[in-house]
Amino acid sequence: EDQVTQSPEALRLQEGESSSLNCSYTVSGLRGLFWYRQDPGKGPEFLFTLYSAGEEKEKERLKATLTKKESFLHITAPKPEDSATYLCAVRKRDDKIIFGKGTRLHILP
Amino acid sequence: KAGVTQTPRYLIKTRGQQVTLSCSPISGHRSVSWYQQTPGQGLQFLFEYFSETQRNKGNFPGRFSGRQFSNSRSEMNVSTLELGDSALYLCASSHPDRANSPLHFGNGTRLTVT
Repeated sequence: EDQVTQSPEALRLQEGESSSLNCSYTVSGLRGLFWYRQDPGKGPEFLFTLYSAGEEKEKERLKATLTKKESFLHITAPKPEDSATYLCAVRKRDDKIIFGKGTRLHILP
Repeated sequence: KAGVTQTPRYLIKTRGQQVTLSCSPISGHRSVSWYQQTPGQGLQFLFEYFSETQRNKGNFPGRFSGRQFSNSRSEMNVSTLELGDSALYLCASSHPDRANSPLHFGNGTRLTVT
């Protein structure tokens, strides 16, 4: 069965404390992997698309990487404004998109 | 460029009633997808429309239906509402002519069924 699993479910970090969020997937034919950020009361905001193993994308304090089985979202020296839920999604060969349940990230000042 | 617009933002309905939610995609985006988001299940795919045709469908009962108009605007309808239908309903648009175009979401409609 196609599945996208994110870990941890929740993460609390001190400001400046770097860490990584994990997204592991088992799907039939990966066409792309997406990372989103969702703030309370808002829709998910697109961050990155990764297409193939070994690919990396960066934006400010965030870097996303992809292997054949999982993706990581690395957060370097986070600030309180990075607090949000981070969602991972996978587009399959049939074009359907499956989302993970997200990681709730809280950065303490 | 205006983003995805969903109306209304909040709805309170009673069990057994029906509801219609509206979505206006980003200009130029012809694909519209609908998702249900709940704390326990996360984002669950409902359906996708492209050029007024349903292209993909998730595993939801027939009480959930949708349609897309010639201007790409979309509506979603839920009939015979149940308490478990309480959720945030998100609409997303994408540009299907660009390979692997990401979804761009609206801020959702919060539906509460009492």
